[in-house]
Amino acid sequence: DGGITQSPKYLFRKEGQNVTLSCEQNLNHDAMYWYRQDPGQGLRLIYYSQIVNDFQKGDIAEGYSVSREKKESFPLTVTSAQKNPTAFYLCASSIGTGITGELFFGEGSRLTVL
Amino acid sequence: AQSVAQPEDQVNVAEGNPLTVKCTYSVSGNPYLFWYVQYPNRGLQFLLKYITGDNLVKGSYGFEAEFNKSQTSFHLKKPSALVSDSALYFCAVRDRGRDDKIIFGKGTRLHILP
Repeated sequence: DGGITQSPKYLFRKEGQNVTLSCEQNLNHDAMYWYRQDPGQGLRLIYYSQIVNDFQKGDIAEGYSVSREKKESFPLTVTSAQKNPTAFYLCASSIGTGITGELFFGEGSRLTVL
Repeated sequence: AQSVAQPEDQVNVAEGNPLTVKCTYSVSGNPYLFWYVQYPNRGLQFLLKYITGDNLVKGSYGFEAEFNKSQTSFHLKKPSALVSDSALYFCAVRDRGRDDKIIFGKGTRLHILP
């Protein structure tokens, strides 16, 4: 079945460590997104990518980095520069840009900083 | 700037009664509007969208939404609520005239009381 796979589902990190969250899709979608979800704040956009080897900052990109070397993959690195990284992270994809496509979401990764 | 507002943090409805979850938006051009549902510790699932045409949009699980351009609203409705409808609901907007960013509301928690 087609879909988006995020891993790991749960991750614990010590302060000062970088961690990378994986996001893979087999939907052949062009656009991919990373959102952060905190209680009562909805979803906030971290980074998005419309095509391979290109990505743009979202509203809260500081302390995060991404790469888009393959169409299927859009990993997110949470760096030690991120002041408050404990959150639920959601990866999504859509068919293209500037059109009517809805987002398809993965099941999320919950990061806890100890 | 584009924005989405969900004025109610929580909505309580008795099972079998009609339900409404409110959403208002602000965009510079014509909007694409979406509703998503999220169950605990899961990703978001697409419910329905308004692109153009009929103002009443029907979606998954018996949900529908009405686009009202004059009131800039896109309220989610269901004629008869089920306990299984209890979840977190997000409204989202994409501005046709801008880049590919999709803006989400902060979410409304729907409780269906047995």
